[in-house]
Amino acid sequence: SQQGEEDPQALSIQEGENATMNCSYKTSINNLQWYRQNSGRGLVHLILIRSNEREKHSGRLRVTLDTSKKSSSLLITASRAADTASYFCATDANQGGKLIFGQGTELSVKP
Amino acid sequence: DAGVIQSPRHEVTEMGQEVTLRCKPISGHDYLFWYRQTMMRGLELLIYFNNNVPIDDSGMPEDRFSAKMPNASFSTLKIQPSEPRDSAVYFCASRSSRPTQYFGPGTRLTVL
Repeated sequence: SQQGEEDPQALSIQEGENATMNCSYKTSINNLQWYRQNSGRGLVHLILIRSNEREKHSGRLRVTLDTSKKSSSLLITASRAADTASYFCATDANQGGKLIFGQGTELSVKP
Repeated sequence: DAGVIQSPRHEVTEMGQEVTLRCKPISGHDYLFWYRQTMMRGLELLIYFNNNVPIDDSGMPEDRFSAKMPNASFSTLKIQPSEPRDSAVYFCASRSSRPTQYFGPGTRLTVL
């Protein structure tokens, strides 16, 4: 079963706007990671947030984690057309090294 | 480093044929993962290895699927016999002791 459920499934915005994607999960985790997938490519790691962290930044990315609500959000500020991709959250529940991926949010940034 | 290498990138075969997908992980990584991605089911973990030993194969769909890792630098995923419902993109990923996974470019499999 899927650990991470993402919302929305698809998001369309204009260049320069902010994009927010949400992820909910079911069990306790060690860390939560966000990955990006361009069409026809493999996933690329963006950012990791540990269970004892509440917020983390990397460039135009901001990730929050609320372990009491079992949810996370990924904010991309000042979006660019090149940010168009699918974004996946993945949870590490200390199950021997594996990650459980959500279904992803398909982001479209229009120039 | 060249990253995770997968071959072939595209495979078209007929139902009933054997298919072998190959993966070379990043040197020094001791975990290797095989995933399958479809529109309907999303990204599914099929099997993963740690130090060449299979740890969890609960995601392998059925006996037609098998995976091996004979050494630290090579793994195969075999489907025999293949069926049209096996059509998907198959990804290999590897990681070190750090939790980030590095994905290969994938193999797009089409079974006619």
